[in-house]
Amino acid sequence: KQEVTQIPAALSVPEGENLVLNCSFTDSAIYNLQWFRQDPGKGLTSLLLIQSSQREQTSGRLNASLDKSSGRSTLYIAASQPGDSATYLCAVEAESGADGLTFGKGTHLIIQP
Amino acid sequence: NAGVTQTPKFRILKIGQSMTLQCAQDMNHNYMYWYRQDPGMGLKLIYYSVGAGITDKGEVPNGYNVSRSTTEDFPLRLELAAPSQTSVYFCASTSLAGVDTQYFGPGTRLTVL
Repeated sequence: KQEVTQIPAALSVPEGENLVLNCSFTDSAIYNLQWFRQDPGKGLTSLLLIQSSQREQTSGRLNASLDKSSGRSTLYIAASQPGDSATYLCAVEAESGADGLTFGKGTHLIIQP
Repeated sequence: NAGVTQTPKFRILKIGQSMTLQCAQDMNHNYMYWYRQDPGMGLKLIYYSVGAGITDKGEVPNGYNVSRSTTEDFPLRLELAAPSQTSVYFCASTSLAGVDTQYFGPGTRLTVL
């Protein structure tokens, strides 16, 4: 059974710092890995999707990497801003594809002004 | 496009009552999913559908039922509500599993007392 772990569970840093969120998964038979952002009381917003054949994806100040063989992904946030405060969720999609995503518990991020 | 919509936003049920959580999408997506999120946890898959008339169980289907009579709608039925079903329920859809990201609705917060 696929398990997804995110470290750290919570993180608080001053504005302007670069930071890294970590995600690991136990079964490397995945189609893709996805990073989502969740604001309090809201739904999930997709940030980045990395296909299993890719090594990284970038969107603005966000960069996500994938090492499928070691079962690891990192989300790098450059020049953090208070508006980046949210919970970040990592999820993997199994090679069977249709049966949904397996999520980690998330990293709760606070950017101090 | 409205994307993925869910109703109601909030609901309180008494033990043993039943209700239907509504989900609709206007993106003509074939794949639709129901997840639940308990406090401090990642999302867990309840049921999914790969097209109208086709549904299948996810990781935590007990106590729930679904139907998919149209491409747009994917209601989730709770029969005989129990306190363990207190959670936030998210509906999601995607155009092509394994390739495209999932688009999430805003969620329904359900409390069973």
